[in-house]
Amino acid sequence: GAGVSQTPSNKVTEKGKYVELRCDPISGHTALYWYRQSLGQGPEFLIYFQGTGAADDSGLPNDRFFAVRPEGSVSTLKIQRTERGDSAVYLCASSLGLAGELFFGEGSRLTVL
Amino acid sequence: QKEVEQDPGPLSVPEGAIVSLNCTYSNSAFQYFMWYRQYSRKGPELLMYTYSSGNKEDGRFTAQVDKSSKYISLFIRDSQPSDSATYLCAMNSGNTPLVFGKGTRLSVIA
Repeated sequence: GAGVSQTPSNKVTEKGKYVELRCDPISGHTALYWYRQSLGQGPEFLIYFQGTGAADDSGLPNDRFFAVRPEGSVSTLKIQRTERGDSAVYLCASSLGLAGELFFGEGSRLTVL
Repeated sequence: QKEVEQDPGPLSVPEGAIVSLNCTYSNSAFQYFMWYRQYSRKGPELLMYTYSSGNKEDGRFTAQVDKSSKYISLFIRDSQPSDSATYLCAMNSGNTPLVFGKGTRLSVIA
């Protein structure tokens, strides 16, 4: 498809487990963003990639969260030792650059039991 | 105080009504202002984009930015049931990630 693709769409896990969420951006978009949206809240910035490098990871809540984009395209958000408070929709977006329009995927809904 | 404040609603209006949505912000460096629409269980999609102060119109939608008051608005004319969604304001200074409001949940009743 032509849009941003996120997998899985839903993930249920147990407290303490490790989770990976994948984002496949629009082809040609160099910028990739991860946001987290809790119920009734707006998206909160986590991390931004320009190419392969994390240009801004100031939104990552703690060191249990990590993201990579090794080839400048697909990105993976990794969450270690999940906690119930990590339950949220994790949104990925891509754009042509930091000032460009953000195109969002449908999100990965994470539930930590 | 959060950087961007937005009343979460919910807001319920009859079909055909004019809807007014708004946000306030505290960061005077913000120059780019956007409105995103988010349907249930979908990602946000860009609706309106405005640079600095002024008005922008696109069909039934009008976006207004008043930088002196740090206040932005979105007006929807002749609202339709298909406009029922959550509307998110978002803004940045151009070289920083977008900061979103909490979103206002709108229902347009036929």
